[in-house]
Amino acid sequence: QQQVKQSPQSLIVQKGGISIINCAYENTAFDYFPWYQQFPGKGPALLIAIRPDVSEKKEGRFTISFNKSAKQFSLHIMDSQPGDSATYFCAASYNKLIFGAGTRLAVHP
Amino acid sequence: EAGVVQSPRYKIIEKKQPVAFWCNPISGHNTLYWYLQNLGQGPELLIRYENEEAVDDSQLPKDRFSAERLKGVDSTLKIQPAELGDSAVYLCASARGEYNEQFFGPGTRLTVL
Repeated sequence: QQQVKQSPQSLIVQKGGISIINCAYENTAFDYFPWYQQFPGKGPALLIAIRPDVSEKKEGRFTISFNKSAKQFSLHIMDSQPGDSATYFCAASYNKLIFGAGTRLAVHP
Repeated sequence: EAGVVQSPRYKIIEKKQPVAFWCNPISGHNTLYWYLQNLGQGPELLIRYENEEAVDDSQLPKDRFSAERLKGVDSTLKIQPAELGDSAVYLCASARGEYNEQFFGPGTRLTVL
Protein backbone atom coordinates (compact mmCIF):
# COMPACT_ATOMS: atom_id res chain seq x y z
CA GLN A 1 0.00 0.00 0.00
CA GLN A 2 3.00 2.25 0.44
CA GLN A 3 4.23 1.77 -3.11
CA VAL A 4 4.16 4.28 -5.92
CA LYS A 5 4.51 2.57 -9.29
CA GLN A 6 6.08 4.59 -12.08
CA SER A 7 6.31 3.90 -15.80
CA PRO A 8 8.02 3.82 -18.19
CA GLN A 9 11.47 3.08 -16.80
CA SER A 10 13.06 4.95 -19.70
CA LEU A 11 11.76 7.22 -22.44
CA ILE A 12 13.23 8.63 -25.63
CA VAL A 13 11.53 11.65 -27.19
CA GLN A 14 12.43 13.84 -30.11
CA LYS A 15 12.97 17.54 -29.53
CA GLY A 16 9.63 19.32 -29.62
CA GLY A 17 7.68 16.21 -28.74
CA ILE A 18 5.56 15.43 -25.69
CA SER A 19 7.02 13.36 -22.84
CA ILE A 20 4.50 11.48 -20.71
CA ILE A 21 5.32 9.69 -17.47
CA ASN A 22 2.73 7.84 -15.44
CA CYS A 23 2.38 6.91 -11.78
CA ALA A 24 -0.12 4.88 -9.80
CA TYR A 25 -0.66 4.56 -6.06
CA GLU A 26 -2.79 2.49 -3.69
CA ASN A 27 -2.90 4.41 -0.42
CA THR A 28 -5.88 6.79 -0.44
CA ALA A 29 -4.35 8.66 2.51
CA PHE A 30 -1.81 10.30 0.19
CA ASP A 31 -2.61 14.00 -0.10
CA TYR A 32 0.34 15.51 -1.93
CA PHE A 33 1.81 14.40 -5.25
CA PRO A 34 5.05 16.05 -6.36
CA TRP A 35 7.31 15.40 -9.31
CA TYR A 36 11.07 15.71 -8.94
CA GLN A 37 13.75 16.17 -11.59
CA GLN A 38 17.24 14.81 -11.00
CA PHE A 39 20.35 15.43 -13.08
CA PRO A 40 23.42 13.18 -12.74
CA GLY A 41 25.45 14.02 -9.65
CA LYS A 42 22.72 16.27 -8.26
CA GLY A 43 19.97 15.81 -5.73
CA PRO A 44 16.32 15.73 -6.82
CA ALA A 45 14.67 19.13 -7.31
CA LEU A 46 10.96 19.81 -7.05
CA LEU A 47 9.46 20.41 -10.49
CA ILE A 48 5.72 20.66 -9.91
CA ALA A 49 3.23 19.30 -7.37
CA ILE A 50 -0.51 18.78 -7.03
CA ARG A 51 -3.03 18.07 -4.30
CA PRO A 52 -5.96 15.68 -4.90
CA ASP A 53 -8.61 18.40 -4.91
CA VAL A 54 -7.65 19.46 -8.45
CA SER A 55 -7.42 17.38 -11.62
CA GLU A 56 -4.75 19.32 -13.44
CA LYS A 57 -1.96 21.77 -12.75
CA LYS A 58 0.16 23.49 -15.36
CA GLU A 59 3.41 25.37 -14.92
CA GLY A 60 5.03 26.43 -18.15
CA ARG A 61 5.72 23.35 -20.26
CA PHE A 62 5.00 20.98 -17.37
CA THR A 63 1.51 19.67 -16.55
CA ILE A 64 0.32 17.22 -13.93
CA SER A 65 -2.89 15.34 -14.64
CA PHE A 66 -4.51 13.71 -11.62
CA ASN A 67 -7.22 11.04 -11.62
CA LYS A 68 -8.33 10.47 -8.05
CA SER A 69 -10.80 7.66 -8.81
CA ALA A 70 -8.19 5.71 -10.76
CA LYS A 71 -5.44 6.59 -8.24
CA GLN A 72 -3.19 7.66 -11.06
CA PHE A 73 -1.29 10.80 -11.97
CA SER A 74 0.96 11.74 -14.81
CA LEU A 75 3.51 14.31 -15.89
CA HIS A 76 3.36 15.81 -19.36
CA ILE A 77 6.32 17.76 -20.70
CA MET A 78 5.30 19.75 -23.75
CA ASP A 79 7.80 20.85 -26.41
CA SER A 80 10.46 18.64 -24.84
CA GLN A 81 14.00 20.00 -25.05
CA PRO A 82 17.43 18.33 -24.80
CA GLY A 83 17.90 20.20 -21.51
CA ASP A 84 14.96 18.23 -20.10
CA SER A 85 17.02 15.03 -20.33
CA ALA A 86 17.13 13.83 -16.73
CA THR A 87 15.57 11.30 -14.39
CA TYR A 88 12.06 12.13 -13.21
CA PHE A 89 10.54 10.80 -10.01
CA CYS A 90 6.93 10.91 -8.99
CA ALA A 91 6.17 10.81 -5.28
CA ALA A 92 3.22 10.67 -2.94
CA SER A 93 2.97 11.82 0.63
CA TYR A 94 0.73 11.88 3.67
CA ASN A 95 3.36 12.16 6.36
CA LYS A 96 6.44 11.29 4.35
CA LEU A 97 7.41 11.16 0.69
CA ILE A 98 7.24 7.80 -1.06
CA PHE A 99 9.09 7.94 -4.37
CA GLY A 100 8.54 5.99 -7.55
CA ALA A 101 11.49 4.17 -9.14
CA GLY A 102 12.14 6.93 -11.66
CA THR A 103 12.00 7.47 -15.43
CA ARG A 104 15.12 8.25 -17.36
CA LEU A 105 14.17 10.71 -20.11
CA ALA A 106 16.37 11.37 -23.11
CA VAL A 107 15.35 14.12 -25.51
CA HIS A 108 17.13 13.84 -28.83
CA PRO A 109 17.84 16.93 -30.95
CA GLU B 1 20.46 31.56 -0.55
CA ALA B 2 22.92 28.70 -0.17
CA GLY B 3 21.53 25.24 -0.76
CA VAL B 4 21.88 22.09 1.31
CA VAL B 5 25.55 21.27 1.73
CA GLN B 6 26.79 17.71 2.06
CA SER B 7 30.25 16.30 2.55
CA PRO B 8 32.08 14.37 1.48
CA ARG B 9 30.72 14.06 -2.05
CA TYR B 10 32.37 10.68 -2.56
CA LYS B 11 33.65 8.07 -0.12
CA ILE B 12 35.26 4.71 -0.77
CA ILE B 13 35.84 2.39 2.18
CA GLU B 14 36.52 -1.24 2.93
CA LYS B 15 33.69 -3.29 4.39
CA LYS B 16 33.49 -3.33 8.18
CA GLN B 17 34.97 0.19 8.35
CA PRO B 18 32.99 3.08 9.84
CA VAL B 19 31.89 6.05 7.75
CA ALA B 20 30.18 9.35 8.48
CA PHE B 21 28.32 11.84 6.33
CA TRP B 22 27.69 15.45 7.18
CA CYS B 23 24.82 17.73 6.20
CA ASN B 24 24.31 21.46 6.62
CA PRO B 25 20.69 22.39 5.83
CA ILE B 26 19.41 25.65 4.41
CA SER B 27 19.40 28.36 7.05
CA GLY B 28 16.08 28.53 8.86
CA HIS B 29 14.95 25.05 7.85
CA ASN B 30 13.98 23.19 10.99
CA THR B 31 13.08 19.90 9.26
CA LEU B 32 15.93 17.71 8.06
CA TYR B 33 15.78 14.38 6.23
CA TRP B 34 18.28 11.67 5.39
CA TYR B 35 17.47 9.51 2.38
CA LEU B 36 19.12 6.48 0.80
CA GLN B 37 19.11 6.26 -2.99
CA ASN B 38 20.15 3.01 -4.61
CA LEU B 39 21.21 3.00 -8.25
CA GLY B 40 18.20 3.27 -10.52
CA GLN B 41 15.78 3.79 -7.64
CA GLY B 42 13.99 6.65 -5.96
CA PRO B 43 15.13 8.00 -2.60
CA GLU B 44 13.96 6.16 0.52
CA LEU B 45 13.58 7.96 3.82
CA LEU B 46 15.93 6.89 6.59
CA ILE B 47 15.19 9.49 9.25
CA ARG B 48 13.42 12.82 9.73
CA TYR B 49 14.30 15.47 12.28
CA GLU B 50 12.17 18.30 13.56
CA ASN B 51 14.79 20.59 15.06
CA GLU B 52 16.99 18.25 17.12
CA GLU B 53 14.32 15.58 17.63
CA ALA B 54 14.22 12.45 15.46
CA VAL B 55 10.47 12.16 14.81
CA ASP B 56 10.58 9.33 12.27
CA ASP B 57 13.44 6.84 12.33
CA SER B 58 11.36 3.77 11.56
CA GLN B 59 13.35 3.02 8.38
CA LEU B 60 16.79 3.49 9.92
CA PRO B 61 18.66 0.16 10.41
CA LYS B 62 19.60 0.87 13.99
CA ASP B 63 22.00 -2.03 14.36
CA ARG B 64 24.56 -0.23 12.22
CA PHE B 65 23.20 3.20 11.38
CA SER B 66 23.02 6.19 13.70
CA ALA B 67 22.26 9.85 13.22
CA GLU B 68 22.38 13.00 15.24
CA ARG B 69 21.38 16.61 14.84
CA LEU B 70 22.90 18.51 17.70
CA LYS B 71 21.59 22.04 18.22
CA GLY B 72 19.00 21.44 15.52
CA VAL B 73 21.18 22.57 12.62
CA ASP B 74 23.90 20.33 11.14
CA SER B 75 23.41 16.60 11.06
CA THR B 76 25.65 13.57 10.84
CA LEU B 77 24.73 10.10 9.60
CA LYS B 78 27.04 7.27 10.59
CA ILE B 79 27.38 3.66 9.50
CA GLN B 80 29.39 1.26 11.64
CA PRO B 81 30.36 -1.22 10.39
CA ALA B 82 29.70 -0.70 6.68
CA GLU B 83 28.57 -3.63 4.54
CA LEU B 84 28.81 -4.14 0.78
CA GLY B 85 25.08 -3.53 0.43
CA ASP B 86 25.42 -0.05 1.89
CA SER B 87 26.91 1.21 -1.37
CA ALA B 88 24.49 3.93 -2.47
CA VAL B 89 23.96 7.69 -2.54
CA TYR B 90 23.01 9.24 0.78
CA LEU B 91 20.91 12.36 0.33
CA CYS B 92 20.14 15.05 2.85
CA ALA B 93 17.15 17.33 2.44
CA SER B 94 15.72 20.19 4.47
CA ALA B 95 12.44 22.04 4.65
CA ARG B 96 10.94 24.97 6.48
CA GLY B 97 8.43 22.60 8.03
CA GLU B 98 7.12 19.09 7.69
CA TYR B 99 4.59 19.95 4.96
CA ASN B 100 6.79 22.30 2.98
CA GLU B 101 8.93 21.74 -0.08
CA GLN B 102 12.01 19.64 0.52
CA PHE B 103 15.31 20.89 -0.87
CA PHE B 104 17.87 18.20 -1.53
CA GLY B 105 21.63 18.33 -1.30
CA PRO B 106 23.87 16.76 -3.98
CA GLY B 107 24.36 13.60 -1.94
CA THR B 108 27.32 11.50 -0.85
CA ARG B 109 28.14 8.55 -3.06
CA LEU B 110 29.39 5.69 -0.87
CA THR B 111 31.25 2.73 -2.30
CA VAL B 112 31.97 -0.18 0.04
CA LEU B 113 34.63 -2.60 -1.24
